[in-house]
Amino acid sequence: GAGVSQSPRYKVAKRGQDVALRCDPISGHVSLFWYQQALGQGPEFLTYFQNEAQLDKSGLPSDRFFAERPEGSVSTLKIQRTQQEDSAVYLCASSFLAGQETQYFGPGTRLLVL
Amino acid sequence: SQQGEEDPQALSIQEGENATMNCSYKTSINNLQWYRQNSGRGLVHLILIRSNEREKHSGRLRVTLDTSKKSSSLLITASRAADTASYFCATEVKAAGNKLTFGGGTRVLVKP
Repeated sequence: GAGVSQSPRYKVAKRGQDVALRCDPISGHVSLFWYQQALGQGPEFLTYFQNEAQLDKSGLPSDRFFAERPEGSVSTLKIQRTQQEDSAVYLCASSFLAGQETQYFGPGTRLLVL
Repeated sequence: SQQGEEDPQALSIQEGENATMNCSYKTSINNLQWYRQNSGRGLVHLILIRSNEREKHSGRLRVTLDTSKKSSSLLITASRAADTASYFCATEVKAAGNKLTFGGGTRVLVKP
Protein backbone atom coordinates (compact mmCIF):
# COMPACT_ATOMS: atom_id res chain seq x y z
CA GLY A 1 0.00 0.00 0.00
CA ALA A 2 0.98 3.66 -0.18
CA GLY A 3 3.47 4.93 2.33
CA VAL A 4 3.75 8.33 3.96
CA SER A 5 3.91 11.10 1.39
CA GLN A 6 5.11 14.65 1.81
CA SER A 7 4.91 17.73 -0.36
CA PRO A 8 6.64 19.65 -1.62
CA ARG A 9 9.81 17.59 -1.75
CA TYR A 10 11.92 20.74 -2.05
CA LYS A 11 11.17 24.29 -1.04
CA VAL A 12 13.30 27.39 -1.43
CA ALA A 13 12.09 30.36 0.57
CA LYS A 14 13.34 33.87 1.04
CA ARG A 15 14.01 34.87 4.62
CA GLY A 16 10.82 36.20 6.15
CA GLN A 17 8.53 34.19 3.89
CA ASP A 18 5.90 31.83 5.32
CA VAL A 19 5.96 28.18 4.23
CA ALA A 20 3.54 25.26 4.60
CA LEU A 21 4.66 21.65 4.46
CA ARG A 22 2.16 18.85 3.97
CA CYS A 23 2.14 15.29 5.21
CA ASP A 24 -0.19 12.49 4.13
CA PRO A 25 0.19 9.62 6.60
CA ILE A 26 -0.55 5.98 5.91
CA SER A 27 -4.32 5.54 5.82
CA GLY A 28 -5.72 4.56 9.22
CA HIS A 29 -2.65 5.52 11.20
CA VAL A 30 -3.59 7.20 14.45
CA SER A 31 -0.27 8.77 15.33
CA LEU A 32 1.59 11.38 13.32
CA PHE A 33 4.98 12.90 14.10
CA TRP A 34 7.06 15.73 12.68
CA TYR A 35 10.86 15.73 12.93
CA GLN A 36 13.53 18.17 11.80
CA GLN A 37 16.83 16.88 10.46
CA ALA A 38 19.78 19.21 10.05
CA LEU A 39 22.54 18.28 7.63
CA GLY A 40 24.69 15.46 8.96
CA GLN A 41 22.58 15.03 12.09
CA GLY A 42 19.91 12.67 13.32
CA PRO A 43 16.26 13.75 13.22
CA GLU A 44 14.94 15.75 16.16
CA PHE A 45 11.36 15.60 17.36
CA LEU A 46 9.10 18.57 16.74
CA THR A 47 5.52 17.58 17.50
CA TYR A 48 3.10 14.64 17.82
CA PHE A 49 -0.58 14.13 17.02
CA GLN A 50 -2.91 11.37 18.08
CA ASN A 51 -5.79 11.68 15.64
CA GLU A 52 -6.54 15.41 15.56
CA ALA A 53 -5.19 16.13 19.04
CA GLN A 54 -1.73 17.64 19.30
CA LEU A 55 -0.46 15.86 22.39
CA ASP A 56 3.14 17.03 22.38
CA LYS A 57 4.63 20.13 20.81
CA SER A 58 7.63 20.35 23.08
CA GLY A 59 10.10 20.16 20.19
CA LEU A 60 8.84 23.13 18.21
CA PRO A 61 11.80 25.55 18.28
CA SER A 62 9.82 28.77 18.40
CA ASP A 63 6.33 30.21 18.14
CA ARG A 64 6.97 30.67 14.42
CA PHE A 65 6.35 26.94 14.04
CA PHE A 66 2.77 25.71 14.01
CA ALA A 67 1.32 22.31 13.14
CA GLU A 68 -2.21 21.10 12.67
CA ARG A 69 -4.10 17.94 11.79
CA PRO A 70 -7.71 19.11 11.77
CA GLU A 71 -9.43 15.94 10.57
CA GLY A 72 -7.02 13.43 12.03
CA SER A 73 -5.38 12.50 8.73
CA VAL A 74 -3.40 15.04 6.68
CA SER A 75 -1.13 17.34 8.66
CA THR A 76 0.45 20.67 7.83
CA LEU A 77 3.56 22.14 9.40
CA LYS A 78 3.68 25.89 8.96
CA ILE A 79 6.72 28.05 9.52
CA GLN A 80 6.15 31.77 9.68
CA ARG A 81 8.77 34.41 8.91
CA THR A 82 11.37 31.80 7.96
CA GLN A 83 14.95 32.26 9.09
CA GLN A 84 18.13 30.76 7.67
CA GLU A 85 18.44 28.45 10.68
CA ASP A 86 15.15 26.85 9.65
CA SER A 87 16.91 25.26 6.66
CA ALA A 88 16.67 21.52 7.18
CA VAL A 89 14.82 18.42 6.07
CA TYR A 90 11.39 18.11 7.67
CA LEU A 91 10.32 14.52 8.12
CA CYS A 92 6.84 13.24 8.82
CA ALA A 93 6.16 9.82 10.30
CA SER A 94 3.04 7.88 11.17
CA SER A 95 2.25 4.80 13.21
CA PHE A 96 -0.85 2.66 13.47
CA LEU A 97 -1.41 3.12 17.17
CA ALA A 98 0.16 5.12 19.96
CA GLY A 99 3.29 3.85 21.61
CA GLN A 100 5.47 0.77 21.09
CA GLU A 101 4.88 0.98 17.38
CA THR A 102 7.06 1.23 14.33
CA GLN A 103 7.06 4.74 12.88
CA TYR A 104 7.00 4.90 9.10
CA PHE A 105 8.72 7.91 7.61
CA GLY A 106 7.99 9.94 4.51
CA PRO A 107 10.69 11.12 2.10
CA GLY A 108 10.89 14.53 3.75
CA THR A 109 10.70 18.11 2.57
CA ARG A 110 14.06 19.79 2.10
CA LEU A 111 13.68 23.47 3.03
CA LEU A 112 16.32 26.00 2.08
CA VAL A 113 15.92 29.53 3.39
CA LEU A 114 17.98 32.13 1.59
CA SER B 1 19.71 16.96 22.92
CA GLN B 2 20.15 13.43 21.66
CA GLN B 3 19.51 10.43 23.85
CA GLY B 4 21.30 7.89 21.70
CA GLU B 5 24.86 8.02 20.52
CA GLU B 6 26.14 5.77 17.76
CA ASP B 7 29.64 4.42 17.56
CA PRO B 8 31.55 4.58 15.29
CA GLN B 9 30.51 7.75 13.50
CA ALA B 10 31.77 6.31 10.23
CA LEU B 11 32.67 2.84 8.99
CA SER B 12 34.27 1.71 5.74
CA ILE B 13 34.31 -1.98 4.83
CA GLN B 14 34.68 -4.26 1.83
CA GLU B 15 31.71 -6.01 0.30
CA GLY B 16 31.16 -9.35 2.00
CA GLU B 17 32.50 -8.23 5.36
CA ASN B 18 30.34 -7.75 8.43
CA ALA B 19 29.53 -4.30 9.81
CA THR B 20 28.84 -3.67 13.47
CA MET B 21 27.65 -0.43 14.99
CA ASN B 22 26.69 0.39 18.53
CA CYS B 23 24.20 2.68 20.19
CA SER B 24 24.23 3.88 23.79
CA TYR B 25 21.40 5.69 25.53
CA LYS B 26 20.81 7.33 28.87
CA THR B 27 17.33 6.65 30.26
CA SER B 28 14.91 3.74 30.50
CA ILE B 29 13.24 2.91 27.23
CA ASN B 30 10.09 1.26 25.91
CA ASN B 31 11.83 0.15 22.76
CA LEU B 32 14.75 0.88 20.48
CA GLN B 33 14.49 1.10 16.71
CA TRP B 34 17.11 1.04 13.99
CA TYR B 35 16.65 2.98 10.76
CA ARG B 36 18.61 3.28 7.52
CA GLN B 37 18.83 6.46 5.48
CA ASN B 38 20.29 6.63 2.01
CA SER B 39 21.75 9.95 0.93
CA GLY B 40 18.99 12.51 0.51
CA ARG B 41 16.22 10.00 1.17
CA GLY B 42 13.77 9.22 3.95
CA LEU B 43 14.29 6.85 6.83
CA VAL B 44 13.62 3.16 6.32
CA HIS B 45 12.68 1.13 9.38
CA LEU B 46 14.88 -1.92 9.96
CA ILE B 47 14.10 -3.47 13.34
CA LEU B 48 12.22 -2.60 16.53
CA ILE B 49 13.41 -4.32 19.71
CA ARG B 50 11.40 -3.96 22.90
CA SER B 51 12.91 -3.43 26.34
CA ASN B 52 12.12 -7.00 27.39
CA GLU B 53 13.84 -8.49 24.33
CA ARG B 54 17.54 -9.25 24.03
CA GLU B 55 18.06 -10.13 20.38
CA LYS B 56 16.18 -9.93 17.08
CA HIS B 57 17.01 -10.99 13.56
CA SER B 58 15.76 -9.84 10.19
CA GLY B 59 17.47 -11.29 7.14
CA ARG B 60 21.13 -10.23 7.30
CA LEU B 61 20.48 -7.96 10.26
CA ARG B 62 20.97 -8.84 13.92
CA VAL B 63 20.14 -6.46 16.74
CA THR B 64 20.98 -6.93 20.39
CA LEU B 65 19.81 -4.94 23.38
CA ASP B 66 21.45 -4.83 26.80
CA THR B 67 19.27 -2.73 29.10
CA SER B 68 21.70 -3.09 32.01
CA LYS B 69 24.36 -1.36 29.94
CA LYS B 70 21.87 0.85 28.12
CA SER B 71 23.29 -0.18 24.78
CA SER B 72 22.33 -1.84 21.52
CA SER B 73 24.23 -3.14 18.54
CA LEU B 74 23.34 -3.63 14.90
CA LEU B 75 25.21 -6.25 12.90
CA ILE B 76 24.96 -6.42 9.13
CA THR B 77 26.36 -9.69 7.84
CA ALA B 78 27.81 -10.26 4.35
CA SER B 79 27.51 -6.59 3.48
CA ARG B 80 26.65 -5.40 -0.02
CA ALA B 81 27.33 -2.13 -1.80
CA ALA B 82 23.62 -1.38 -1.48
CA ASP B 83 24.03 -1.32 2.32
CA THR B 84 25.93 1.95 1.97
CA ALA B 85 23.86 4.39 4.02
CA SER B 86 23.59 6.13 7.38
CA TYR B 87 22.21 4.03 10.20
CA PHE B 88 20.40 5.58 13.14
CA CYS B 89 19.23 4.18 16.42
CA ALA B 90 16.17 5.76 17.98
CA THR B 91 14.71 5.24 21.41
CA GLU B 92 11.16 5.54 22.64
CA VAL B 93 11.59 6.71 26.20
CA LYS B 94 9.10 5.75 28.90
CA ALA B 95 8.79 9.21 30.37
CA ALA B 96 8.66 11.07 27.08
CA GLY B 97 5.55 9.81 25.35
CA ASN B 98 5.69 8.18 21.95
CA LYS B 99 8.30 10.34 20.27
CA LEU B 100 11.58 8.89 19.06
CA THR B 101 14.93 10.33 20.11
CA PHE B 102 17.63 9.70 17.53
CA GLY B 103 21.38 9.46 17.74
CA GLY B 104 23.74 11.14 15.31
CA GLY B 105 24.07 8.08 13.10
CA THR B 106 26.81 5.85 11.74
CA ARG B 107 27.78 6.45 8.13
CA VAL B 108 28.60 3.11 6.50
CA LEU B 109 30.46 2.80 3.21
CA VAL B 110 30.59 -0.64 1.62
CA LYS B 111 33.20 -0.77 -1.11
CA PRO B 112 32.63 -3.20 -4.00
